[in-house]
Amino acid sequence: KAGVTQTPRYLIKTRGQQVTLSCSPISGHRSVSWYQQTPGQGLQFLFEYFSETQRNKGNFPGRFSGRQFSNSRSEMNVSTLELGDSALYLCASSLAGGPNQPQHFGDGTRLSIL
Amino acid sequence: TQLLEQSPQFLSIQEGENLTVYCNSSSVFSSLQWYRQEPGEGPVLLVTVVTGGEVKKLKRLTFQFGDARKDSSLHITAAQPGDTGLYLCAGAGSGGGADGLTFGKGTHLIIQP
Repeated sequence: KAGVTQTPRYLIKTRGQQVTLSCSPISGHRSVSWYQQTPGQGLQFLFEYFSETQRNKGNFPGRFSGRQFSNSRSEMNVSTLELGDSALYLCASSLAGGPNQPQHFGDGTRLSIL
Repeated sequence: TQLLEQSPQFLSIQEGENLTVYCNSSSVFSSLQWYRQEPGEGPVLLVTVVTGGEVKKLKRLTFQFGDARKDSSLHITAAQPGDTGLYLCAGAGSGGGADGLTFGKGTHLIIQP
């Protein structure tokens, strides 16, 4: 059974640009959550999508957005990139969604802002 | 805002020793999960504890959820170099999880041969 796939694995951008990250969940999983991981703050919840609808949202500015497609694949977009957006972005899928469900993580996209 | 404090932040011990990692909060969680993350990879779920006082064992790893569902511990017996990694605890809020999982900042564990 294929795991969660995130693309690209590495990305370098400059301030002011925008970026789109992609996540393909485990087959049959309908929920996709996104997290930002930094050395200083650890893992922080960005948002969760279930059946193409954003169900939960963390405390991040509106520059961070996402969407989910009918095949459960999800994309995350960050606009007007700032140096502080440099981080490992992780997505996780689960069958039914919600934080009580076991989360299956991908290996992340490492985003570096120059 | 619910916070999870993990201690110690860093731990380096010799193979064969025992260790305990703690995860504490002032908030009540409906469940708590433990993950291990290795460099270049995403976190991998080890266990989920749901009931206050619950103890779960996974080979040499013993997980305990506090009676009040505010804290948890992970005990490793006879640590092996393969146990090296970042150990993360994550709590699901008792209010329905509107904020998703709340993660601690993790314990970096190094087991030296």
